[in-house]
Amino acid sequence: DQQVKQNSPSLSVQEGRISILNCDYTNSMFDYFLWYKKYPAEGPTFLISISSIKDKNEDGRFTVFLNKSAKHLSLHIVPSQPGDSAVYFCAASARETSGSRLTFGEGTQLTVNP
Amino acid sequence: DVKVTQSSRYLVKRTGEKVFLECVQDMDHENMFWYRQDPGLGLRLIYFSYDVKMKEKGDIPEGYSVSREKKERFSLILESASTNQTSMYLCASSSPGGRSYEQYFGPGTRLTVT
Repeated sequence: DQQVKQNSPSLSVQEGRISILNCDYTNSMFDYFLWYKKYPAEGPTFLISISSIKDKNEDGRFTVFLNKSAKHLSLHIVPSQPGDSAVYFCAASARETSGSRLTFGEGTQLTVNP
Repeated sequence: DVKVTQSSRYLVKRTGEKVFLECVQDMDHENMFWYRQDPGLGLRLIYFSYDVKMKEKGDIPEGYSVSREKKERFSLILESASTNQTSMYLCASSSPGGRSYEQYFGPGTRLTVT
């Protein structure tokens, strides 16, 4: 039972354009969401997060939008740069889960072409 | 900066061998996690620990065990390695305080079981 789904395994965009990565979840108890970026042969690194009390969080070129009624979140990268090429994982957590565990999606490989 | 280190970057083992993967974090984090990453499946939680000598099963604990004798060290044990345990193994840690959902990852261990 995949509680966090990233339906697009890959996305290709031109440098300077917007990248939009999508994530859907099914567990209504999730109240905190994160995006991680992963380069080959490295561990994932935290990118940006959003609490369920907000519908938008912005950090530089990265913005995450949360639509709770649709159980959908998206990551916007503007403008996209070749160094953004990586696998992006969406993750979610529920407040009452022990150990602050996260549930991850399958990942989306973003390629930004020069 | 948080540092999470894993004992090996690459490991090749034979079927039936007992395998130990070690993870050490230097930020006094209470929570530690072991994941495996497989193409198309994202990061799946194997085991986690929220305190010394405490452990909880994740989503795919079968074939694995863990040990946490010291706060900074979390070991993953494959009792009898099988070919379907060939994967990338990632360790992570987090703190219950503040942005407790943010996990810090090690570089990963690419394990091949032949």
